[in-house]
Amino acid sequence: AQSVTQPDIHITVSEGASLELRCNYSYGATPYLFWYVQSPGQGLQLLLKYFSGDTLVQGIKGFEAEFKRSQSSFNLRKPSVHWSDAAEYFCAVGGAPTGGGNKLTFGTGTQLKVEL
Amino acid sequence: NAGVMQNPRHLVRRRGQEARLRCSPMKGHSHVYWYRQLPEEGLKFMVYLQKENIIDESGMPKERFSAEFPKEGPSILRIQQVVRGDSAAYFCASARGQETQYFGPGTRLLVL
Repeated sequence: AQSVTQPDIHITVSEGASLELRCNYSYGATPYLFWYVQSPGQGLQLLLKYFSGDTLVQGIKGFEAEFKRSQSSFNLRKPSVHWSDAAEYFCAVGGAPTGGGNKLTFGTGTQLKVEL
Repeated sequence: NAGVMQNPRHLVRRRGQEARLRCSPMKGHSHVYWYRQLPEEGLKFMVYLQKENIIDESGMPKERFSAEFPKEGPSILRIQQVVRGDSAAYFCASARGQETQYFGPGTRLLVL
């Protein structure tokens, strides 16, 4: 069964500091990996995704993530955090699309707080 | 191009009533997924539908919950005889194929 672990429930960083959010996954085949961001009371916005190819993927809002198969990780990074980045971040894993769909398994999320 | 639309955004029901949640996918998307987010938890898959077909309902509770995606109109998630434990945020996601899912703003259901 597929699973996602986000070991950090809460993270606080100062504005302008760098950020790394951890994500470890368990999946029996080639994973499709996603990072979504959720602001309070809002839906989920896709930050970036990895399907194949270059293991360092660039996303929106200056975020990037690196797929490391040997570590089963897909950590999210940003060089300099802005106050508007405060939100909850979810890592998700799915499989290669089949006729049966591509249901995603989400981690429990990391709440990011940004100190001014 | 409008995003995924969900309504209502907030829904209050008393125990035993029915809840109907609607999801209009993005234009050109024929795949719809429903997820539930309980307080302080991540999203959990419920059901995957294509037009007029339920493809995967492995995450749906066995009783009281049903979903449909008719040929015309939005996808509907229906919860009969709601209980307090059904209080959650329900998110719909749509996809053109079966790769990237785009999420709606969610319906927050509160059962009194």
